[in-house]
Amino acid sequence: DQQVKQNSPSLSVQEGRISILNCDYTNSMFDYFLWYKKYPAEGPTFLISISSIKDKNEDGRFTVFLNKSAKHLSLHIVPSQPGDSAVYFCAASAQGSSGDKLTFGTGTRLAVRP
Amino acid sequence: ETGVTQSPTHLIKTRGQQVTLRCSSQSGHNTVSWYQQALGQGPQFIFQYYREEENGRGNFPPRFSGLQFPNYSSELNVNALELDDSALYLCASSLDRGYNSPLHFGNGTRLTVT
Repeated sequence: DQQVKQNSPSLSVQEGRISILNCDYTNSMFDYFLWYKKYPAEGPTFLISISSIKDKNEDGRFTVFLNKSAKHLSLHIVPSQPGDSAVYFCAASAQGSSGDKLTFGTGTRLAVRP
Repeated sequence: ETGVTQSPTHLIKTRGQQVTLRCSSQSGHNTVSWYQQALGQGPQFIFQYYREEENGRGNFPPRFSGLQFPNYSSELNVNALELDDSALYLCASSLDRGYNSPLHFGNGTRLTVT
């Protein structure tokens, strides 16, 4: 049962334009959400997070939006740069969950074209 | 500041064998989590250790076991290896327990079971 879903396996965007990566979840107990970026041969790197008490969090070029009623979050990257080309994982956790575990989606591969 | 380091980077084992993977957590971090990432999937939570005690476990059989040492480094042991155990094994450390404490991942150990 995939509780965190990233339905787009890949996305291609022109440099300078906006990249929008989407994530849906099914578990209503999730109340903290994170985005990780992963380059080949490296571990995932934390990018940005959002608590369920907010609907938006911004950090430089990266903004995460949370729509709790739709159980949907998105990551916006503006402007996109070639160095942003990587696999992006959405992850969620629930307070009190076993071992504070993160549940990850399957990832979206972003390619930013120069 | 030293990040999370894992060893070895690659490993080939035969079905039925046992394997030990090692992880040194980031300086100052007392919590270590282990994840398995199969090809084309997101990382799946195996277990977490906090101050040398197991602090939660995912849906993995008992042949997956772990240890955390006083210096907060950790080991993942897998007995009776199966072909499906072939995956990237990721170790992550965090400053403390807490579902909203971002994980810092190592680059992983690629395990191949033949």
